Amino acid sequence: GAVVSQHPSRVICKSGTSVKIECRSLDFQATTMFWYRQFPKQSLMLMATSNEGSKATYEQGVEKDKFLINHASLTLSTLTVTSAHPEDSSFYICSARSGGTYNEQFFGPGTRLTVL
Amino acid sequence: GEDVEQSLFLSVREGDSSVINCTYTDSSSTYLYWYKQEPGAGLQLLTYIFSNMDMKQDQRLTVLLNKKDKHLSLRIADTQTGDSAIYFCAERVLADKLIFGTGTRLQVFP
Repeated sequence: GAVVSQHPSRVICKSGTSVKIECRSLDFQATTMFWYRQFPKQSLMLMATSNEGSKATYEQGVEKDKFLINHASLTLSTLTVTSAHPEDSSFYICSARSGGTYNEQFFGPGTRLTVL
Repeated sequence: GEDVEQSLFLSVREGDSSVINCTYTDSSSTYLYWYKQEPGAGLQLLTYIFSNMDMKQDQRLTVLLNKKDKHLSLRIADTQTGDSAIYFCAERVLADKLIFGTGTRLQVFP
């Protein structure tokens, strides 16, 4: 299957700083990318959907000024957690899809964010 | 509303069959999926079933769908230690939106 990478895999930062997480589709062009958040022992919650070249669509309750998403190319999307706080600590997972809406989403390995 | 429930934990002996259950509430689901997540890793799609099907078999995996009861199950035959992971069911409720279950941790012991 197609490969999606995330960088970094793990990041620890101080409260108040901003953190950028990259999601890359390595062997296909991702017209749509998704960002999920997973709390310990809980399910994945969709945060936002982004299409290449357009603004992301955020799910209800997700602050778009807090979680900045940029999908500047067909192989790269970034999630920036601005002014991070301890409650932002979580496992962030991206997925990417090419082509039609019913095509499979391929998931990245996730990024563990810890805010001190 | 959108709600997908799974039992939290399942423990089976190596070589036995595992059955992981999932219930969902949205009757407009088009596809239902099973994903596997190993520790510290992303999700791997195992199999999926279209909502107008009752059953799908793929090697050791069998998916059963009871649309009337909104119940989905995943049976893993001849369970191996490498099958130990967290298993998520997910339903597609809109063209682009997946709703994930709470996840079932499968532990396989020798």
